[in-house]
Amino acid sequence: EAAVTQSPRNKVTVTGGNVTLSCRQTNSHNYMYWYRQDTGHGLRLIHYSYGAGNLQIGDVPDGYKATRTTQEDFFLLLELASPSQTSLYFCASSDGLGVSYEQYFGPGTRLTVL
Amino acid sequence: GDSVTQKEGLVTLTEGLPVMLNCTYQTIYSNAFLFWYVHYLNESPRLLLKSSTDNKRTEHQGFHATLHKSSSSFHLQKSSAQLSDSALYYCALSPNYGNEKITFGAGTKLTIKP
Repeated sequence: EAAVTQSPRNKVTVTGGNVTLSCRQTNSHNYMYWYRQDTGHGLRLIHYSYGAGNLQIGDVPDGYKATRTTQEDFFLLLELASPSQTSLYFCASSDGLGVSYEQYFGPGTRLTVL
Repeated sequence: GDSVTQKEGLVTLTEGLPVMLNCTYQTIYSNAFLFWYVHYLNESPRLLLKSSTDNKRTEHQGFHATLHKSSSSFHLQKSSAQLSDSALYYCALSPNYGNEKITFGAGTKLTIKP
């Protein structure tokens, strides 16, 4: 069974604050993704990676940085948080072998920027 | 670029009635994968079903969908709604040319009432 964990589960910060969201997967998957979920917009891809040291730009990257330090760990960084970044953030992983394409999601991190 | 359209943001049905959630898509890639993901409250989104084969019915957990490339559609159906089907449903697309990126629609919130 695929396992993706995220921390913290809830985070409150102030405008201009510095936030790091963490994601770890123990599936030996190559691909990892960061999404934000907002009512009316669905799941929107921020950044993704196909291995340690790799980073690909998603559809809504502005204001976000990301880093993939190992195959297991993928971090999302908000260096100057703004209220527009208040959202539910999901991390996901997939094997990316061209057969499954199934993405396994973590439990989510609810971020509030005051 | 690729896009997925789910016209209905909210669908409310009475238990026992049939379910149909609409999904249309745009992509230039003929071998695209289409997916339905389901997101229950306080859980992680998970794959419900997927297809890349034209005109073939795919079924899982009482739901079914048929990919129609001629009309670029992948509607989700169920013959009889249950209270437990209440959730957020996402249609999604992967162009299947190797970059492992999935584009999600805005989602349809399905509420089943007694």
